[in-house]
Amino acid sequence: GNSVTQMEGPVTLSEEAFLTINCTYTATGYPSLFWYVQYPGEGLQLLLKATKADDKGSNKGFEATYRKETTSFHLEKGSVQVSDSAVYFCALGLRANDYKLSFGAGTTVTVRA
Amino acid sequence: DVKVTQSSRYLVKRTGEKVFLECVQDMDHENMFWYRQDPGLGLRLIYFSYDVKMKEKGDIPEGYSVSREKKERFSLILESTSTNQTSMYLCASSSGSGNSPLHFGNGTRLTVT
Repeated sequence: GNSVTQMEGPVTLSEEAFLTINCTYTATGYPSLFWYVQYPGEGLQLLLKATKADDKGSNKGFEATYRKETTSFHLEKGSVQVSDSAVYFCALGLRANDYKLSFGAGTTVTVRA
Repeated sequence: DVKVTQSSRYLVKRTGEKVFLECVQDMDHENMFWYRQDPGLGLRLIYFSYDVKMKEKGDIPEGYSVSREKKERFSLILESTSTNQTSMYLCASSSGSGNSPLHFGNGTRLTVT
């Protein structure tokens, strides 16, 4: 089946530190890949996406590259801020499945000043 | 901006009670979804709808039903609540085109005692 595995949290960092959240996937076919972010007390919102191999999604200083050879879509940010404290979800969608998304378990990130 | 509004932020119900969770979106989106979010499990799809009066089961439909009488409104119904339905419930919508992002509401935290 289709599934997403992301690194377990929680992750605690200091401001300006480098953040990486690992995400790997299993899918039949060629999925589109997404990162969603959930700030405290809010619903999820799309952070970035990539629709084919070697695509790089980027937004708000975050980046992720669709790596078909390693079935990965790791999220990175070079210098985090306190405002980046949130829960991050990796997700995949497949055309054959009408793009209904399969989500990872989520990674809680806390950035300390 | 797309707005997805969930009628209640917090609900506390007793076992066996009937619960309606209402969701309204204001962007004329064809697709609407109900997820539940639990720690360590991420988001799991309960039901979704691609059109008015149309519904399809997601991954965990047992104990739930839905109603979509109007395009903008998608209701989740718990006929007889149980304690294992204590969770965060998230509604989402998206346009009809494949790969379009999901827009989420802020969630309803349901506690069943």
